Amino acid sequence: GAGVSQSPSNKVTEKGKDVELRCDPISGHTALYWYRQRLGQGLEFLIYFQGNSAPDKSGLPSDRFSAERTGESVSTLTIQRTQQEDSAVYLCATQLGIVGTQPQHFGDGTRLSIL
Amino acid sequence: AQSVTQLGSHVSVSEGALVLLRCNYSSSVPPYLFWYVQYPNQGLQLLLKYTSAATLVKGINGFEAEFKKSETSFHLTKPSAHMSDAAEYFCAVTPGGYQKVTFGTGTKLQVIP
Repeated sequence: GAGVSQSPSNKVTEKGKDVELRCDPISGHTALYWYRQRLGQGLEFLIYFQGNSAPDKSGLPSDRFSAERTGESVSTLTIQRTQQEDSAVYLCATQLGIVGTQPQHFGDGTRLSIL
Repeated sequence: AQSVTQLGSHVSVSEGALVLLRCNYSSSVPPYLFWYVQYPNQGLQLLLKYTSAATLVKGINGFEAEFKKSETSFHLTKPSAHMSDAAEYFCAVTPGGYQKVTFGTGTKLQVIP
């Protein structure tokens, strides 16, 4: 497709389980961002990739959170030993290059619910 | 470092009335500024962007924003609200280059018939 694709769109899991969220970027977009959006709140930056390196991972809330990216392609965000406070919508956004004039293109997010 | 402040987490306007959503920023260098809109259960979509060209920027759906350096503001306006404008709006700033974008906390716009 032409846009950013995220899967799954919804994920319900039990506390303590691991989850993996996937983001397929727009072809050619070198920059990729993960954000967390809790109910009724704004965007919380998690991590930023330029290609397959992560120059800024300062937003990852704990060592239970990790992310990787294969080249300038798919990225996965993994949450280990999930907790109820991890419940949120996880948004992925990609950007053409690093020039500040380029906007971010967002996927529709993965809605994660921890029981 | 940069930051964004959006005044008013909720704004209500009547259909046909002026929409004004406020955004103030701080940046150590000339910024690039963006407004995004988020409809329920969707990601964010770009409304408009300021990239140091014209200070009055026109976007989609009749929205526009004016960059005022002296006031460090980038307020979003629309002359006449439509029911379909009901959504959450986010202001964002970046100094460009290898710098992440910083988003405001968002303003939910309610349009009353």
